[in-house]
Amino acid sequence: GENVEQHPSTLSVQEGDSAVIKCTYSDSASNYFPWYKQELGKRPQLIIDIRSNVGEKKDQRIAVTLNKTAKHFSLHITETQPEDSAVYFCAASMISNQFYFGTGTSLTVIP
Amino acid sequence: DAGVIQSPRHEVTEMGQEVTLRCKPISGHNSLFWYRQTMMRGLELLIYFNNNVPIDDSGMPEDRFSAKMPNASFSTLKIQPSEPRDSAVYFCASGSTGRSYEQYFGPGTRLTVT
Repeated sequence: GENVEQHPSTLSVQEGDSAVIKCTYSDSASNYFPWYKQELGKRPQLIIDIRSNVGEKKDQRIAVTLNKTAKHFSLHITETQPEDSAVYFCAASMISNQFYFGTGTSLTVIP
Repeated sequence: DAGVIQSPRHEVTEMGQEVTLRCKPISGHNSLFWYRQTMMRGLELLIYFNNNVPIDDSGMPEDRFSAKMPNASFSTLKIQPSEPRDSAVYFCASGSTGRSYEQYFGPGTRLTVT
């Protein structure tokens, strides 16, 4: 089955700096890669996703890149703000099938 | 749209008791997923349904856990008998295989077994 690895497990950045979280996957059949943000005590919420026919996708300060050859994808957050502090999860999926989640990255943005 | 609805939001029970968690998926969604989240093990998929049919229950920890989806708008996850190690947050998520690929999570049920 699919195996998703996520790094780093914790990340601290100064407010205004960029943050990058990286994930690798093992199954070349995976074709959908969502990212979730989970604030303390809350549910995971989808923040951005990318399909395998696209190399990059942006939404304001958030971007995701995908390298199918290397089987890795990354989340980029620019101009970080304290409200970006949360745990971020990546996942890989074959569309209409289950998600395989990474182990999460705890991001702290220091004011 | 009310989103995915879960009940109860918090449950405290004694070891050995039966626990039933409930989920109402988003209307029109045909996939439903049960997850368990703990600090030690992260986010684990327990079971998922497509069109009310269980597709993969390999994540269900043991026979004490069972899940049902009698219709498109309701699912239950039952633990009988419960044990302290079952203490976790249980999330239900729903999605649509026909239109898009996102999964939307409910608010979760925080289960404490003493």
